[in-house]
Amino acid sequence: EIVMTQSPATLSVSPGERATLSCRASQTVSSNLAWYQQKPGQAPRLLIYGASTRATGIPARFSASWSGTEFTLTISSLQSEDFGVYYCQQYNYWPPLTFGGGTKVEIK
Amino acid sequence: QVHLVESGGGVVQPGRSLRLSCAASGFTFSNYGMHWVRQAPGKGLEWVAVVWYDGSRQNYADSVKGRFIISRDNSKNTLYLQMNSLRAEDTAVYYCARDPRPPGYFDYWGQGALVTVSS
Repeated sequence: EIVMTQSPATLSVSPGERATLSCRASQTVSSNLAWYQQKPGQAPRLLIYGASTRATGIPARFSASWSGTEFTLTISSLQSEDFGVYYCQQYNYWPPLTFGGGTKVEIK
Repeated sequence: QVHLVESGGGVVQPGRSLRLSCAASGFTFSNYGMHWVRQAPGKGLEWVAVVWYDGSRQNYADSVKGRFIISRDNSKNTLYLQMNSLRAEDTAVYYCARDPRPPGYFDYWGQGALVTVSS
């Protein structure tokens, strides 16, 4: 099973600042990685797939990159609606499909 | 637009069974793989099961293998999860989710159905 490790667990950011979230895979997953945003009481929403491709309707302030087993999600200028929990998920090796433990982005 | 609506959640005693449904609309259901993903209270996301677009293949997480059955009825645009021998640790919100390239990622999610296993 591929273990996905996200850091930090919590990120405190002021509106307008840059947020950088990390996700590490226990072994290579190529570019088969997705990022999701989840707000309290809501279902997750797909942000990124293929490690760096924004999903339909996702603003350009969300960008993602990867190198080896390290993946990064960047929010260039945090808006109030961006606060929530972010999860990464690999789909290179299955079953099982596996998620990271999440990074909570909160208001500083 | 894509719409996924789960139903069938509720409170059930340990060892009993429950069936969840997910009604799909706004897309050609028979062209997509479908998953169940769950989230225990205050916890992260856990993949549960996938069924291929034509129902020909299924895969399960080890935690539910042998107890849960995923299926679909493409004539009714509906996904199912039959949950047997339920345990307290199965308590979670269960989401159905669409997959454009199974097994892959989840591009649309339902709003979730809460299953509580308790005596």
